[in-house]
Amino acid sequence: ETGVTQTPRHLVMGMTNKKSLKCEQHLGHNAMYWYKQSAKKPLELMFVYNFKEQTENNSVPSRFSPECPNSSHLFLHLHTLQPEDSALYLCASSQVSLRESGGTGELFFGEGSRLTVL
Amino acid sequence: AQSVAQPEDQVNVAEGNPLTVKCTYSVSGNPYLFWYVQYPNRGLQFLLKYITGDNLVKGSYGFEAEFNKSQTSFHLKKPSALVSDSALYFCAVRDGRGQLIWGAGTKLIIKP
Repeated sequence: ETGVTQTPRHLVMGMTNKKSLKCEQHLGHNAMYWYKQSAKKPLELMFVYNFKEQTENNSVPSRFSPECPNSSHLFLHLHTLQPEDSALYLCASSQVSLRESGGTGELFFGEGSRLTVL
Repeated sequence: AQSVAQPEDQVNVAEGNPLTVKCTYSVSGNPYLFWYVQYPNRGLQFLLKYITGDNLVKGSYGFEAEFNKSQTSFHLKKPSALVSDSALYFCAVRDGRGQLIWGAGTKLIIKP
């Protein structure tokens, strides 16, 4: 138990569906992240939120839409995805954003949401 | 360009033998280096980090890593491997913008 909970763990959706991934952290952290993990590739940072304000968007297609209503919750809204978007989506949190001088890089990850787009 | 390389897709080690998982990096400035582990069907877990100080860093589960500035390497080591160490291991370095640059991962298989 890392203190970061992701739901659902598995999701299968068609290209025309709309779905959402949810992440909740119980660690009192101020920064939250969405990563995409594909087999045999480095983790791809998608979005970063610090104190619920978006600070990074790594050229992610608009079919992925993040939402951070507060420092404990992070959503990833999915719409008209493509089969190549199938991957493991990981949420992470950190006490301090990595951009800040105190951000030393220790991230706490959820177990991920395995997304399959048909 | 800033990057992290994990040259081995897979490392096979017999239980009880020492293990090494390799990582080299390229980053401007002083590197902050990390190792994370991912067990099957789980998220990543932090293992250890090097920020400054002693080049030999000790972490969780008996792992350690040695920072070598001249070789720009940060290899992960353990003196005696356990079957339960079988997992995917990721090396990462913090760049000047505060983002983590990740390696592609090394699958470690420990055979009984």
